[in-house]
Amino acid sequence: KNQVEQSPQSLIILEGKNCTLQCNYTVSPFSNLRWYKQDTGRGPVSLTIMTFSENTKSNGRYTATLDADTKQSSLHITASQLSDSASYICVVSDNTGGFKTIFGAGTRLFVKA
Amino acid sequence: NAGVTQTPKFRILKIGQSMTLQCAQDMNHNYMYWYRQDPGMGLKLIYYSVGAGITDKGEVPNGYNVSRSTTEYFPLRLELAAPSQTSVYFCASSLSGHYGYTFGSGTRLTVV
Repeated sequence: KNQVEQSPQSLIILEGKNCTLQCNYTVSPFSNLRWYKQDTGRGPVSLTIMTFSENTKSNGRYTATLDADTKQSSLHITASQLSDSASYICVVSDNTGGFKTIFGAGTRLFVKA
Repeated sequence: NAGVTQTPKFRILKIGQSMTLQCAQDMNHNYMYWYRQDPGMGLKLIYYSVGAGITDKGEVPNGYNVSRSTTEYFPLRLELAAPSQTSVYFCASSLSGHYGYTFGSGTRLTVV
């Protein structure tokens, strides 16, 4: 069964610190992996998209990595800000056609002053 | 560009009532989707469309219907609302199936 599992479920860090969120997946055959940021009460906003051949992608202070062999991805946030408080969702798609896109449950990040 | 616009933002329905959740996009995206998000769970695909006149079921289509008469609009119809349909509903669009999605801000629906 295709699955996307994220860890930790929630995380509290101090402003200015770095953090890393994890995503493990079993989706196969793999097409792409995306990270989204979802603020409370809002829709998800795309941060990064990576295909099989890409192992790192940055978007400002957000850096995503992908290891397609171990089926793991991470999202690293550098010098966190209060505005980084949100849910971060890992999304994996297969390439069999149709829309087998699996959303992880997300990691809830709290950045405290 | 407004992106993806969803209305209403909030709605309370009684069991057995019907309603239509509206979704419009102004980016000329061919692909549009409806997802529901339950607390602590990942988004689940209800229906999707790859272009005007073409729709297909997603993972959790029961109790819902959609139509796509134009590229811009993709309404979601709930017939005979049930408490299990209490959720936050997101509409999204994309250029193709493998591009990032643009999401609307969601409709929070409560069925009592």
